[in-house]
Amino acid sequence: SAVISQKPSRDICQRGTSLTIQCQVDSQVTMMFWYRQQPGQSLTLIATANQGSEATYESGFVIDKFPISRPNLTFSTLTVSNMSPEDSSIYLCSVEELELGTGELFFGEGSRLTVL
Amino acid sequence: RKEVEQDPGPFNVPEGATVAFNCTYSNSASQSFFWYRQDCRKEPKLLMSVYSSGNEDGRFTAQLNRASQYISLLIRDSKLSDSATYLCVVGLDNYGQNFVFGPGTRLSVLP
Repeated sequence: SAVISQKPSRDICQRGTSLTIQCQVDSQVTMMFWYRQQPGQSLTLIATANQGSEATYESGFVIDKFPISRPNLTFSTLTVSNMSPEDSSIYLCSVEELELGTGELFFGEGSRLTVL
Repeated sequence: RKEVEQDPGPFNVPEGATVAFNCTYSNSASQSFFWYRQDCRKEPKLLMSVYSSGNEDGRFTAQLNRASQYISLLIRDSKLSDSATYLCVVGLDNYGQNFVFGPGTRLSVLP
């Protein structure tokens, strides 16, 4: 299994500002995933972050709003830019189990963002 | 139609009860199926994978019906600690970027 650390665990921000969320994994992984979970909703994939290349964004998410960095195989950041109250959500970093090929996803504890 | 749909719940059941959750998916090409559990204010964690032949893990039984594009989770002898949201997850393959999460079904097991 993978151990994933995310920070900040929570934050309250003013609209128009930006927040960067960090994700650290205890092992080297090729792909890291960023999810959003809006209040009372399930998880929606924002983008897949590959080391050494640009992130791949899902429909409805763009790089200008959610820039992602992936400087090495154990670390990634997601920035939520020019925030509005609609961005209030939990943001989760995830990696997939690779050794056994089970497809299991491991998640960080999430970053709970409130935008005022 | 949403890709993955679940009973919205909440399900409020007494300890010891048997409870079943249903999940339907729209993409007939889906190949991988999972149930995840998410405790309140926590991250999701894999409960069990779902195989075509059905599988059991202690008090939990998962079934897959490909013809009807339907997945179920049965919990027997419910415990207070089973209270959580159960997420149905469907994927085109075993690659994480191709997984779709259902909206979840909330379970409360009452003393």
